Amino acid sequence: AQKITQTQPGMFVQEKEAVTLDCTYDTSDQSYGLFWYKQPSSGEMIFLIYQGSYDEQNATEGRYSLNFQKARKSANLVISASQLGDSAMYFCAIPRLGNEKLTFGTGTRLTIIP
Amino acid sequence: EAQVTQNPRYLITVTGKKLTVTCSQNMNHEYMSWYRQDPGLGLRQIYYSMNVEVTDKGDVPEGYKVSRKEKRNFPLILESPSPNQTSLYFCASSPGDYSPLHFGNGTRLTVT
Repeated sequence: AQKITQTQPGMFVQEKEAVTLDCTYDTSDQSYGLFWYKQPSSGEMIFLIYQGSYDEQNATEGRYSLNFQKARKSANLVISASQLGDSAMYFCAIPRLGNEKLTFGTGTRLTIIP
Repeated sequence: EAQVTQNPRYLITVTGKKLTVTCSQNMNHEYMSWYRQDPGLGLRQIYYSMNVEVTDKGDVPEGYKVSRKEKRNFPLILESPSPNQTSLYFCASSPGDYSPLHFGNGTRLTVT
């Protein structure tokens, strides 16, 4: 069974600083991936970034990058040069059985301070 | 515009009164699913569907029903809602394996 752990319930970060949001996982699958989603206060779920376990290089999407360390079973999200609009809940998630079942972590609430 | 549409956005009801939350996607996605979000618990999957007439239970299916008669629609049915089903519900779809889920805007349900 898959398990996702996000150990930071909340974080406060100064604007323009880099942010690392932690995510550790446990899976018995040989091939898997990790998603990160953002949920602003308006409530919608926004896909940020994905990386498969066999991808050679860490994924990057604009200011978002995934620091994937398979040996440590961690897939941390790094946000460079944080902005006020980055204030939101962030969830990591791991798929099971392809994409049929997605297990989410409990989330990290990020607050960017001006 | 490609989207997943849920209705209603907000719903207040009483215990035992049957309700349906609709979900429709216009992207011709095979896969659809329902999640509920509760504080401190993240999102938990209720039901999912891999294709028309194919549905399966997620992690918290008790008290819910779904149907997939058409590819675009995946309604969530609460036959006899109870207060512990008060939650934020999301419908999602995707084209398949390891593709990102496209989420609807959510339905906030309160059962008194």
